[in-house]
Amino acid sequence: GEEVAQTPKHLVRGEGQKAKLYCAPIKGHSYVFWYQQVLKNEFKFLISFQNENVFDETGMPKERFSAKCLPNSPCSLEIQATKLEDSAVYFCASSLPGLNEQFFGPGTRLTVL
Amino acid sequence: QKEVEQNSGPLSVPEGAIASLNCTYSDRGSQSFFWYRQYSGKSPELIMSIYSNGDKEDGRFTAQLNKASQYVSLLIRDSQPSDSATYLCAVNDGSSASKIIFGSGTRLSIRP
Repeated sequence: GEEVAQTPKHLVRGEGQKAKLYCAPIKGHSYVFWYQQVLKNEFKFLISFQNENVFDETGMPKERFSAKCLPNSPCSLEIQATKLEDSAVYFCASSLPGLNEQFFGPGTRLTVL
Repeated sequence: QKEVEQNSGPLSVPEGAIASLNCTYSDRGSQSFFWYRQYSGKSPELIMSIYSNGDKEDGRFTAQLNKASQYVSLLIRDSQPSDSATYLCAVNDGSSASKIIFGSGTRLSIRP
């Protein structure tokens, strides 16, 4: 598609439950990025993929967060045993190879109660 | 820790005036610099990218880059109420080709 697509728009989970978010990059974009935006516009980089391979996962809290980009499927970000502090908007972005311009999806708002 | 610093604002500018937004960054290895606009409750929208020293103009927007001073700015001419938003400065991480680091954003308000 021409835009990054993210589903769902909103997700509500009880503390300790699992949350799974999805992202379809722009067609032809081989890089995918996940960011977490909490209060005051603080963007935190989580992970990036080059096609289905993890490119940079230095931002991932590895104990509970995992992510995949499989061929012919949307990319996913999964949070096991959600905590209150996981409440945030999760943005996915994609870019062409060789360029750093990243284009963002509409985001998924995760609320952990 | 690599940082991107912006004045959080709010910056209030009268309609029709020039809005000037500034950003400094700490990583001398950074090569790519971006300005994103984010309306409340929406996703960041890329409005300018700049890669070399000097000015880059696109419509009412001009990005300025000075790598020696580690400084990036965005000028918005003939400011319109629709320009009211948070402007995020973003800089690539010099040690990771794909990762970009965001500033915390400057909130711009255009008053009629």
